[in-house]
Amino acid sequence: NAGVMQNPRHLVRRRGQEARLRCSPMKGHSHVYWYRQLPEEGLKFMVYLQKENIIDESGMPKERFSAEFPKEGPSILRIQQVVRGDSAAYFCASSPRSGPYNSPLHFGNGTRLTVT
Amino acid sequence: DAKTTQPTSMDCAEGRAANLPCNHSTISGNEYVYWYRQIHSQGPQYIIHGLKNNETNEMASLIITEDRKSSTLILPHATLRDTAVYYCIVRKDSGGYQKVTFGIGTKLQVIP
Repeated sequence: NAGVMQNPRHLVRRRGQEARLRCSPMKGHSHVYWYRQLPEEGLKFMVYLQKENIIDESGMPKERFSAEFPKEGPSILRIQQVVRGDSAAYFCASSPRSGPYNSPLHFGNGTRLTVT
Repeated sequence: DAKTTQPTSMDCAEGRAANLPCNHSTISGNEYVYWYRQIHSQGPQYIIHGLKNNETNEMASLIITEDRKSSTLILPHATLRDTAVYYCIVRKDSGGYQKVTFGIGTKLQVIP
């Protein structure tokens, strides 16, 4: 029973390149959340998506960052023209569409992005 | 969601019980207390949650005071693998929307 799968585990990009981070939720889960953790800091919410819909992107930087969760395939967090300040661990979490409203989030082990 | 206050760090001897406190004095009646932990270089891991009754599972116990203004997470026999940052979170039912706001948490160091 696979948990939340994120890949790649580590990603190195030069300044100005694009970074694509992928997240496959747990089987049966249709809600996806992305979080960012800067070095030595706490987890910060970025965006919440359901299949083909962005529900809450209040934590997403206005420029260069976008997220999608298509009908088929994983959720993608895309960062264009990366800068050194984007270096962080990016975590994805999922939860079921239905079931107890207080179901916990299940997290993946993250993608560590390094911008050189 | 209500704000929580936790000690920044704690030590615990291996094999002893680790008791991690959390203050949530502004909690409202429909808000749950959740605990997650984050072991170094891993994603957060759900531990336990409760509303007003004490809860126990294979990982831990959660003791919530009668007035619900504070709670304690208990790891009954701490091991070195329990060294992690522990987050206490209070959140209400949002009808399926599970957004969780993490604070700084308590860094628990289990000492051999």
